Amino acid sequence: DTGVSQDPRHKITKRGQNVTFRCDPISEHNRLYWYRQTLGQGPEFLTYFQNEAQLEKSRLLSDRFSAERPKGSFSTLEIQRTEQGDSAMYLCASSLTRDSEAFFGQGTRLTVV
Amino acid sequence: AQKITQTQPGMFVQEKEAVTLDCTYDTSDQSYGLFWYKQPSSGEMIFLIYQGSYDEQNATEGRYSLNFQKARKSANLVISASQLGDSAMYFCAMREHTGTASKLTFGTGTRLQVTL
Repeated sequence: DTGVSQDPRHKITKRGQNVTFRCDPISEHNRLYWYRQTLGQGPEFLTYFQNEAQLEKSRLLSDRFSAERPKGSFSTLEIQRTEQGDSAMYLCASSLTRDSEAFFGQGTRLTVV
Repeated sequence: AQKITQTQPGMFVQEKEAVTLDCTYDTSDQSYGLFWYKQPSSGEMIFLIYQGSYDEQNATEGRYSLNFQKARKSANLVISASQLGDSAMYFCAMREHTGTASKLTFGTGTRLQVTL
């Protein structure tokens, strides 16, 4: 499968726990994006990587959130001290160039109980 | 800031009929891109079609076409010959360039239900 891959697909965690999600982009894509989607809404931009450099972060990305992309390949998104409001679908996307279409993974659905 | 408006929370269409999903946008940029994505219940966002702001012809991809009216700032998606598998959420999005970065701003979506 050559698409964007996300792991896990589903995560249930207790409030206060830390969680980490992984995204493997399409192999030749050097641009990677994280989005968050809550129920009934469209995805909202969280952060953007070009290769290993994190070039933009949304104000939605509080201090409890951190994203990395070591070596410019896969990326991880960590949420520390999860809160119920963090419950959402976390989507990863990648693109070949800044102007080409972004392809999305199937997302990680996080439920904080 | 850019904004995308989708005014139809839900739409019904009979199988084999055509349907138009509305999208209007607001931007002060001269160069921008407009996208439509399909999101089935599985959650994945599936890219459907793209229209660049300088493209003079409306984009088409198989049964999907984008009715781009620049002066009215609208980018409606037309699905011809609807199929049961077209039932899903549909999102209109606009690409925004911020320096070297690029990000999509999405509308709230339209849920399409295709009926027999």
